[in-house]
Amino acid sequence: EAQVTQNPRYLITVTGKKLTVTCSQNMNHEYMSWYRQDPGLGLRQIYYSMNVEVTDKGDVPEGYKVSRKEKRNFPLILESPSPNQTSLYFCASTSTGGEPQHFGDGTRLSIL
Amino acid sequence: DQQVKQNSPSLSVQEGRISILNCDYTNSMFDYFLWYKKYPAEGPTFLISISSIKDKNEDGRFTVFLNKSAKHLSLHIVPSQPGDSAVYFCAASGASGTYKYIFGTGTRLKVLA
Repeated sequence: EAQVTQNPRYLITVTGKKLTVTCSQNMNHEYMSWYRQDPGLGLRQIYYSMNVEVTDKGDVPEGYKVSRKEKRNFPLILESPSPNQTSLYFCASTSTGGEPQHFGDGTRLSIL
Repeated sequence: DQQVKQNSPSLSVQEGRISILNCDYTNSMFDYFLWYKKYPAEGPTFLISISSIKDKNEDGRFTVFLNKSAKHLSLHIVPSQPGDSAVYFCAASGASGTYKYIFGTGTRLKVLA
């Protein structure tokens, strides 16, 4: 089954404690992306990657890092999380940038 | 600067009637537009798309219209069904030759039985 898998689905943590949200896709897609969803703001792109070792900033990259060492994986790293990063996060992938994306089911992060 | 806007946060429609969801954009360089549907506790799922070279695209009960001069697109659902109740996001891509996606803030559709 074609899917994008995110882990964990839920996480409550404290300010400053580094965390990583993993994302993996099994569709051999080249393009992957991270979004955050906040009330009244919709989905905002954090980072995207057009291929292995190629990443670029989206609209809200501050406080986040990504890496793309393998085609299937695109982890999102919060080096020093802060409460304003409390949000619902989605990973997505597609075969080519601009085409419809497949989304994971989301990761709800709460940073206290 | 919200480049893609969905000005109606919510919409209620009777089952069997037409649902019309609207989306406006400001960047004339966008060349591809998409609609996604999102149920609670799930990720968005792709619904329908339209290229900037077209003004209409139809897929079953779903039709997207694009008016480039007005920088406006709309999603029509006919007939509406209770299972269509969800949050709908429009998105745009292709501006400046990048592969960034810009999403609207979403419209919550409620189809009343």
